[in-house]
Amino acid sequence: ETGVTQSPTHLIKTRGQQVTLRCSSQSGHNTVSWYQQALGQGPQFIFQYYREEENGRGNFPPRFSGLQFPNYSSELNVNALELDDSALYLCASSPGQNEQYFGPGTRLTVT
Amino acid sequence: QKEVEQNSGPLSVPEGAIASLNCTYSDRVSQSFFWYRQYSGKSPELIMSIYSNGDKEDGRFTAQLNKASQYVSLLIRDSQPSDSATYLCAVRDNDMRFGAGTRLTVKP
Repeated sequence: ETGVTQSPTHLIKTRGQQVTLRCSSQSGHNTVSWYQQALGQGPQFIFQYYREEENGRGNFPPRFSGLQFPNYSSELNVNALELDDSALYLCASSPGQNEQYFGPGTRLTVT
Repeated sequence: QKEVEQNSGPLSVPEGAIASLNCTYSDRVSQSFFWYRQYSGKSPELIMSIYSNGDKEDGRFTAQLNKASQYVSLLIRDSQPSDSATYLCAVRDNDMRFGAGTRLTVKP
C-alpha cells in the first residue's frame, strides 16, 4: 500500500453532470498529480498541484479542474461529463518531482 | 508531440526465464525514467526508477538507460507467474508521460 487514498471507488454519472473525485496524499508528500487511464491505455496526465498551486497541465479541456488543500489532499472536478470521460482516474503523490505513488483509483462510468 | 513507445505485447515467457521489456522516448531533455507494474483492475505500482545512463539493479529487476539512444529497458530475472501484469514505462521532464504498457505473461 502506498498510503495514497482515493474516494469514491466507483461512480456512475449521466452525461452532462458534474463529478468531484478526492485524493489524500501520502504523509510528507506535497505534490499531487491526476491521471486519466482509459481501458488498454497508459495513464494520461491531467494536471499537477504543488503546495496548492497548479504547476503543470496536460492536454485536457478547462472543464477538468482541480484543487489542492493546505494538508496536500486534492480534488479533481469534471464538468459537463461526456461519455468519453469514462475511465479510471488515478491520483499520485510525490515528495517532489521524482517518484510518484498511485492511489487505488476511482472508476468513473458516464452513461 | 512527446511520445513514449512500448511494444504492446503480449510477451510470454516460461517461468524462470528472463523477461525483457523495452521503451523508447522522443524528448531528449527527459531526465527521469520509471517502470510501473499494473495488475488487471489495479493501479500502477512503482518498481524501478533510473536517472543516469547505465544499469540499476533491485532484486530480480534491472533497469537499463541509454539517453543517447533514448531507450530504457527493464529485465526481470527468474520470472514468476506472479510477475504476469502490464508494465508501464514512464518518462518525466516537466510532466510524466506513460507508454501504453506491455502485457507480460509468465507461464508455469
